[in-house]
Amino acid sequence: EIVLTQSPATLSLSPGERATLSCRASQSVSSYLAWYQQKPGQAPRLLIYDASNRATGIPARFSGSGSGTDFTLTISSLEPEDFAVYYCQQRSNWRRLTFGGGTKVEIK
Amino acid sequence: QVQLVQSGAEVKKPGASVKVSCKASGYTFTSYGISWVRQAPGQGLEWMGWISAYNGNTNYAQKLQGRVTMTTDTSTSTAYMELRSLRSDDTAVYYCARGIGPLDYWGQGTLVTVSS
Repeated sequence: EIVLTQSPATLSLSPGERATLSCRASQSVSSYLAWYQQKPGQAPRLLIYDASNRATGIPARFSGSGSGTDFTLTISSLEPEDFAVYYCQQRSNWRRLTFGGGTKVEIK
Repeated sequence: QVQLVQSGAEVKKPGASVKVSCKASGYTFTSYGISWVRQAPGQGLEWMGWISAYNGNTNYAQKLQGRVTMTTDTSTSTAYMELRSLRSDDTAVYYCARGIGPLDYWGQGTLVTVSS
């Protein structure tokens, strides 16, 4: 099973600041990595797929980068609605999809 | 617009079974797989498995093998997830989502509570 490790567990930032979230895979997942946002009481929402492609309707302040084992989700300037939990997910091993443990972005 | 609408909350006793439905609309059902993901209270997301709505092929998480069955009814564009021999640690919100890789649309979630 491919293990995804997200860091930090919690990120405390102010609106307008830049957020940088990390996801590291235990083995190469090529570019088959997605990022999701989840707010309390809501289903997750797809933000980024295949490492760097924004999903439909996702604002340009969200960007993804990386390949192999190291990936980054960047939010260029935090809006109030961006405070949430973010998960990465790999589909390189399509028989055993896995999610990372999540990073909570909270208001400082 | 694409929508996935799940069945309502369930309360089950340990050892029982639960079957959650997920009705899809707004797209060609057989063109996408359906994945199931669960989330225990206060915890992260756990992938449970997926089913191809095209041919019914399935792939389950190893820890759930033997207890979970995913099916589809193409005549009603509905996917189902049945979990048997329920335990207290199966208490979670269960989500269906469109796709097998990137999961681009999600249902609203179904809370399954396992309690004696």
